[in-house]
Amino acid sequence: EAAVTQSPRNKVAVTGGKVTLSCNQTNNHNNMYWYRQDTGHGLRLIHYSYGAGSTEKGDIPDGYKASRPSQENFSLILELATPSQTSVYFCASGGDWGGQNTLYFGAGTRLSVL
Amino acid sequence: AQRVTQVQPTGSSQWGEEVTLDCSYETSEYFYRIFWYRQLFSGEMVFLIYQPSFDTQNQRSGRYSVVFQKSFKSISLVISASQPEDSGTYFCALSELILGYKLTFGTGTSLLVDP
Repeated sequence: EAAVTQSPRNKVAVTGGKVTLSCNQTNNHNNMYWYRQDTGHGLRLIHYSYGAGSTEKGDIPDGYKASRPSQENFSLILELATPSQTSVYFCASGGDWGGQNTLYFGAGTRLSVL
Repeated sequence: AQRVTQVQPTGSSQWGEEVTLDCSYETSEYFYRIFWYRQLFSGEMVFLIYQPSFDTQNQRSGRYSVVFQKSFKSISLVISASQPEDSGTYFCALSELILGYKLTFGTGTSLLVDP
């Protein structure tokens, strides 16, 4: 069973503080993703990675950094958190394009920036 | 640029009815795939079914099927014999080969199936 684990599940941060969201996958997938979900917007891609050491900007990367130190781990970093970054964040992993390969999602992290 | 549109923010049905959820998309690529996910009330995202662009046959998986109208860039998810457990938010997502393996999501349709 594909497994993607996010931590923490809930986080309250102060404006201007640094926040790190972590993601671990045991699927041995090359690709990992960070999405945020907001009402009326669906899921929007922030950063993604094709393998250890690589990170790519998604559709809404401003204010976020990403780090992929290993195949299994992918972090999302908010250096200076702002209230507009209050959202639910989802990490996902996926194999290479083709067939029924799809993305497997973590349970989400609810972040509130006060 | 790719875009996915789900114009129905909400939907409802009675137990046992067939439900159709609509999705349209924009792409200039030949190779792409459309995925459907359901988000449970817990937030969990569950993969339901996918349709590859090069396959003219509508895909089926259990009670889920799609109606793929490639020339109109439209795809509908059909849920047969809907049940209260099918309630949740349904997302359509586009994946284009040229962009690697990324999914672009629609805004979702929230479905409520009455018992």
